Amino acid sequence: GQNIDQPTEMTATEGAIVQINCTYQTSGFNGLFWYQQHAGEAPTFLSYNVLDGLEEKGRFSSFLSRSKGYSYLLLKELQMKDSASYLCAVRDNDYKLSFGAGTTVTVRA
Amino acid sequence: GAVVSQHPSRVICKSGTSVKIECRSLDFQATTMFWYRQFPKQSLMLMATSNEGSKATYEQGVEKDKFLINHASLTLSTLTVTSAHPEDSSFYICSATDVYNEQFFGPGTRLTVL
Repeated sequence: GQNIDQPTEMTATEGAIVQINCTYQTSGFNGLFWYQQHAGEAPTFLSYNVLDGLEEKGRFSSFLSRSKGYSYLLLKELQMKDSASYLCAVRDNDYKLSFGAGTTVTVRA
Repeated sequence: GAVVSQHPSRVICKSGTSVKIECRSLDFQATTMFWYRQFPKQSLMLMATSNEGSKATYEQGVEKDKFLINHASLTLSTLTVTSAHPEDSSFYICSATDVYNEQFFGPGTRLTVL
């Protein structure tokens, strides 16, 4: 099985940067995903890492270290619409996703 | 991009009745579909993996006789919650994988059992 840990809540100011950490212990690893989820909606894909290093996509970046079982999602130039839950998910060798509990990010003006 | 739909988006039913939720891949064929459940302020929990033309594989702790899954075609999977009870009230989300094994999520179905 998978054990995925991420902080429960984070608060930041509009225009700032926030980093959401995720640690995992897995029985198989075939990639790590970050999703954004607004209340009452399905998750939307943000990023995917399968090799070590940083993936940058606009205001969002994601980093992976497989040896440390560690990833982070970096949100830059925060906007009010970025207030949401951010889910870290690990895919196993059967292509099943296991999700962390999610980090609720609140952006304040 | 690939689109996955779910129907209905919301359903309210009486305790003891059965509810069917449909998951469709609109512009691609999905050999595998996944069903998740999400309780308030909790993360998505995988319930079962559904492959076209074969029986679904259920995760530990999920009752296969209560949550019936049918994957009759490459674009449609259904989840039937049989004899629903208030504790089954949840947000049910499906996802479908394309030929590259990328998962696309449906918009979810909010089930409320009275």
